Order: sequence, then structure tokens, then C-alpha cells
Amino acid sequence: NAGVTQTPKFQVLKTGQSMTLQCAQDMNHEYMSWYRQDPGMGLRLIHYSVGAGITDQGEVPNGYNVSRSTTEDFPLRLLSAAPSQTSVYFCASTSPGGLGIQYFGAGTRLSVL
Amino acid sequence: DAKTTQPNSMESNEEEPVHLPCNHSTISGTDYIHWYRQLPSQGPEYVIHGLTSNVNNRMASLAIAEDRKSSTLILHRATLRDAAVYYCILKAGNNRKLIWGLGTSLAVNP
Repeated sequence: NAGVTQTPKFQVLKTGQSMTLQCAQDMNHEYMSWYRQDPGMGLRLIHYSVGAGITDQGEVPNGYNVSRSTTEDFPLRLLSAAPSQTSVYFCASTSPGGLGIQYFGAGTRLSVL
Repeated sequence: DAKTTQPNSMESNEEEPVHLPCNHSTISGTDYIHWYRQLPSQGPEYVIHGLTSNVNNRMASLAIAEDRKSSTLILHRATLRDAAVYYCILKAGNNRKLIWGLGTSLAVNP
């Protein structure tokens, strides 16, 4: 099983550039989420989705947009990158029911210069 | 959301057991105790979970105190590949959101 696939693995952007981080899962999970991880801080929730067509903000949504047109895909868009968005980004897909195990992708390491 | 407290770091020797503690004194009756770990340069991965009883799986064991205010993740024989950050997280019922702390960074010495 592929699980959760994130692309790209690494990216360098200049301030003001835009880009989309891709996330795809093959487990037919309804719930997906995006986190960022910075040194000395835990994973912080950016946006999440409870199903196709439904998204909501997490703890740190500013500067990021998401959409969910299919169950499989949950892309994260940076409209105008800022140095403060330099981070490692993880996409997660959560199993249904009360157990709710999160399955993570390998991450995207983003640097904004 | 109920919080957890873990030591920042621990050290172990290869092939010895490791006991990773977690305090969660404000846990509610419907909170599950989940453990994840994050290997270097990878995303977190699920390890084990429990509610009231001790649990075992192929990766680890989870010992839960009778009052549920603390738990311990047990790696029976640490290997170098077990060097990772271990996160103890409380998950409330059907709530999909997890609150991630800083976890415990485990170093394993050869």
C-alpha cells in the first residue's frame, strides 16, 4: 500500500512565489489534515478536511489555502510564500471510527528565501 | 483538551528494555491514550493505543495506570532503529484532531 504520498520532498521558493504541496492517499479516508513542524515546536495543524468539498481551518491557517475535490487528494497552496513559512510540512490521513489512527506522508521540506 | 507531560529526552542501550513515561492527570473517561513515534526525517507513525487495559502489539507494550493518570510505553529490546521522538497523545472519543506536544527524544546507544 502506498498510504499517504506527498510531493515534492524538497522545495526552495523565493519570497512572494506561490506553490502547491500535493498530498494523496489510497486508503479511502474521509478525514485528512495538513501540519507544519518547526524546530522546538510540536506539529501544528494548518487545515483539515472531513470529506470531499469540506475543509476547515486549524491552528495556523494564515497564508495557506486548501481544497478537497476528491477523497484521495488534499493539496495545500501557498499563495505568496514568506520566510516564516519555511518548515517541514506533513499531510495526514485518519482512519474512520473512534480509533482514528493518523497515517502520515514522508513530508515536504520547504525553504523560503 | 487534556494535555500530556513527557520527559524531553531519554537514553537507552541497545537490546535493553526502555520505559517511556507519560503523565496525563486531566484525562477524561472517554480519552484514548495514543502513542506515535517519529523517526529522523520521516513523518510520525502510529505505535499503539489503549483505554484502560494494558496492550501489546508487535512494536511495543502499553502499560496504563489503574487511575489512568499516567501510562508507560515499553520497548522490550531497544534497537538502533528505535531512536526516534515518541509522542504520547490523548484522543477524545470521535474527535479526529490530535494535540501534538514535543514528545520524548529517545537515543539508543550501541
